[in-house]
Amino acid sequence: QKEVEQNSGPLSVPEGAIASLNCTYSDRGSQSFFWYRQYSGKSPELIMFIYSNGDKEDGRFTAQLNKASQYVSLLIRDSQPSDSATYLCAVKDPNFGNEKLTFGTGTRLTIIP
Amino acid sequence: NAGVTQTPKFRILKIGQSMTLQCTQDMNHNYMYWYRQDPGMGLKLIYYSVGAGITDKGEVPNGYNVSRSTTEDFPLRLELAAPSQTSVYFCASSRDGRGPLHFGNGTRLTVT
Repeated sequence: QKEVEQNSGPLSVPEGAIASLNCTYSDRGSQSFFWYRQYSGKSPELIMFIYSNGDKEDGRFTAQLNKASQYVSLLIRDSQPSDSATYLCAVKDPNFGNEKLTFGTGTRLTIIP
Repeated sequence: NAGVTQTPKFRILKIGQSMTLQCTQDMNHNYMYWYRQDPGMGLKLIYYSVGAGITDKGEVPNGYNVSRSTTEDFPLRLELAAPSQTSVYFCASSRDGRGPLHFGNGTRLTVT
């Protein structure tokens, strides 16, 4: 059974600081990694995805992959109260499509004003 | 552009009742999915469809059925509801089956 693990938190970060969220995965062959943000009572929305060929930056968000240690990180710079949400990591089986997308349980992030 | 629309938003069922959760998308996506999300658990795939007339089981299909008669609609049927089916249900779609998922707003179902 392929696994994706996240610290459930809550992770509390002061406003303006860097929030760092981690996700470990069990399948060494995984090549696609997704970060979804989910506000309380709402549906998940995609904020970042990376492939095994490198890190990615998009505005205040950076996704980094450490293949040797099998974890993927999401960094949020200049954290804002609106970043308070649960962040879901998802990892795709390299031999399949979304039908084999495995989600972590999520990390709850709270930005403290 | 509505995206993925789910109805109802909330529903309470008695044990043994049946219901259909509706899902429709207007993005002309071929791929559609039903997930359930339990507290403290990751999203679990119930059923998915790669196009009209084609459906397949996901990780947790027992107690559910689906159909896909059109590209737009992908209803989820619960027969003989059980308390274990109390959950939040999300419908999602994707353009090509490998790209990002677009989620509906969810249906919160309670079975008592």
